[in-house]
Amino acid sequence: DAKTTQPTSMDCAEGRAANLPCNHSTISGNEYVYWYRQIHSQGPQYIIHGLKNNETNEMASLIITEDRKSSTLILPHATLRDTAVYYCIVRVDGTSGSRLTFGEGTQLTVNP
Amino acid sequence: EPEVTQTPSHQVTQMGQEVILRCVPISNHLYFYWYRQILGQKVEFLVSFYNNEISEKSEIFDDQFSVERPDGSNFTLKIRSTKLEDSAMYFCASSETSGRATQYFGPGTRLLVL
Repeated sequence: DAKTTQPTSMDCAEGRAANLPCNHSTISGNEYVYWYRQIHSQGPQYIIHGLKNNETNEMASLIITEDRKSSTLILPHATLRDTAVYYCIVRVDGTSGSRLTFGEGTQLTVNP
Repeated sequence: EPEVTQTPSHQVTQMGQEVILRCVPISNHLYFYWYRQILGQKVEFLVSFYNNEISEKSEIFDDQFSVERPDGSNFTLKIRSTKLEDSAMYFCASSETSGRATQYFGPGTRLLVL
C-alpha cells in the first residue's frame, strides 16, 4: 500500500469547515483513498473513501486531485465532537481480507 | 445501524494467564480482523480471517495468538500466555465480501497485563 503524509495536528473553529490534507504521491492506479478517524482511543470510525472522483456522504466530502497524488477531507461544519485523530489510508479495494495500515494521522482539535 | 460489538470492554489479567477477547461482527460480513493499539502508538494489524481460515497475519501475530469463529456469530482472539507488552486496546473489525472492503471497527477491549 502507498505511503501517506499528513500534518501532525490542525485546529479548527467550531462551525467552520475543517480541511484535512493528505499526500499520497506514490499511489497506484488501483488504490483507493480511505479516511478513518479515532476519537480518544475508541475504535477507528470509517468516514469515506474514493478512487478518483470526489465523494460526499453525510459525514464529509473527499476531494482527490486529478493526478491522485493528494486528497483533502472536508468536514463542512466542524463540531466539538469532531475532535479526533484522522487517518488517511490508501489501499487496493476488493482485497477484502487485507490489512489497513494506519499511520500517525492528523490530530484535529475543534475549538469553541 | 449495524455495528461490531466487543466484550469485555476492560480486562485485567496476570502475566502468564490466558485471555479470550470476544467480538460479534456485523451479521452479513464474512471477513474478520483483529488490530491492537498500544497506548500512545499506532493502530497495528494483527490478523484477518475468512472462511474459517487465517487470510493474512502480521509479524506480531505469533504462536501465542490464535483466532476462532466458534459459532455463527462470535469471533475470538486468544492470547495463550500473556506478557506485560500485550497490554493494549484490541479492536475487532469486519467487512463484507464482493469487493466492498470497508472495514468497520468495534469499540475495543482494553487489556491490562500485570
